[in-house]
Amino acid sequence: DVKVTQSSRYLVKRTGEKVFLECVQDMDHENMFWYRQDPGLGLRLIYFSYDVKMKEKGDIPEGYSVSREKKERFSLILESASTNQTSMYLCASSVTRYEQYFGPGTRLTVT
Amino acid sequence: AQTVTQSQPEMSVQEAETVTLSCTYDTSESDYYLFWYKQPPSRQMILVIRQEAYKQQNATENRFSVNFQKAAKSFSLKISDSQLGDAAMYFCAYPVYGNKLVFGAGTILRVKS
Repeated sequence: DVKVTQSSRYLVKRTGEKVFLECVQDMDHENMFWYRQDPGLGLRLIYFSYDVKMKEKGDIPEGYSVSREKKERFSLILESASTNQTSMYLCASSVTRYEQYFGPGTRLTVT
Repeated sequence: AQTVTQSQPEMSVQEAETVTLSCTYDTSESDYYLFWYKQPPSRQMILVIRQEAYKQQNATENRFSVNFQKAAKSFSLKISDSQLGDAAMYFCAYPVYGNKLVFGAGTILRVKS
């Protein structure tokens, strides 16, 4: 079975802090994704990566950056956290156009 | 822009009954996949069912089936013999630009005992 893990289930940070969210997948998938999930808006793509050291902006990249130094790991970075980044963050991985496999999510609260 | 519309924010069903969740999408592609995902209160998103657009036969997975109307760009999910464990948020999605997924806003399904 594919396993996607995320470093934290719950995280509380202060405004202005630098925040790292880590995601690891164990199935050698080329593609990895970061989404945020907000009520009524579904999942919105922040960034994705189709190979090591490659990244592309999604629909809402502002205020975020990513890093993919190894194939299995994809990190989301909030350079200076703000209260409007309070959300659920989901990581996923996939092979080509097939279904994506999701991690359990990180509920981030910025105070 | 490609969009996915789930017009039912919430649905309720009695245990053992059947419920249908609606989804419409907009794409200019001719060959694509469509997915229904389930997100229970524990939050882990899991795939429920997948439909390949070039296949005319509707996909079925146990109690879950789809009604795929390609011309109408409609992709509804039918859950038969509903169980308490079916209570969740359900998302319709399809891939764009090769590998990205576009999601609908989701439908909360409540199952009454």
